[in-house]
Amino acid sequence: DAGVIQSPRHEVTEMGQEVTLRCKPISGHDYLFWYRQTMMRGLELLIYFNNNVPIDDSGMPEDRFSAKMPNASFSTLKIQPSEPRDSAVYFCASSSRARPDTQYFGPGTRLTVL
Amino acid sequence: GNSVTQMEGPVTLSEEAFLTINCTYTATGYPSLFWYVQYPGEGLQLLLKATKADDKGSNKGFEATYRKETTSFHLEKGSVQVSDSAVYFCALTPNRDDKIIFGKGTRLHILP
Repeated sequence: DAGVIQSPRHEVTEMGQEVTLRCKPISGHDYLFWYRQTMMRGLELLIYFNNNVPIDDSGMPEDRFSAKMPNASFSTLKIQPSEPRDSAVYFCASSSRARPDTQYFGPGTRLTVL
Repeated sequence: GNSVTQMEGPVTLSEEAFLTINCTYTATGYPSLFWYVQYPGEGLQLLLKATKADDKGSNKGFEATYRKETTSFHLEKGSVQVSDSAVYFCALTPNRDDKIIFGKGTRLHILP
């Protein structure tokens, strides 16, 4: 059974460019979470969805960040324009309604903004 | 508010040593408690959990007991291996909330 899939695994871009990160949750899961991990700030929850609807986006750092979930099997996190301080590893995770307290993480996307 | 505090790393031990990583929490109500582990280059994965006071979670030789009186959930292992080198995150969900609140993580290095 496939786990959470993220793409790309690595992204290097220049400041000012648009970046789109993609996530496919585990089939049948109802919740999807986007996290950012840095050495300085640790693991931060950016936003999460329940049944494709954004529930809490209070962790989104600023208007340059946006996330969508057009259907149950796909989500995107977009940064426009990107800045060097956005460099981090971005994780997507999903969980089911039956066990909402157990999240399954993808392998992450390592973003470097030059 | 709800929060998790865990010991800062890195923690460096020799193979077969005894491991303790301390974790304390602040929460309203009766949270569920977790330890997640992140191996190099990977996402986090659930290691063990406990859902009520005095429960003991265990997996892969690791154990943690939910202590309500001391608001703690310390992770222990009797004999660590090089393959246990990873970052360990203590976490909680308040009242089966949707979100998980993670600690800052403790990096563990095991020397052969």
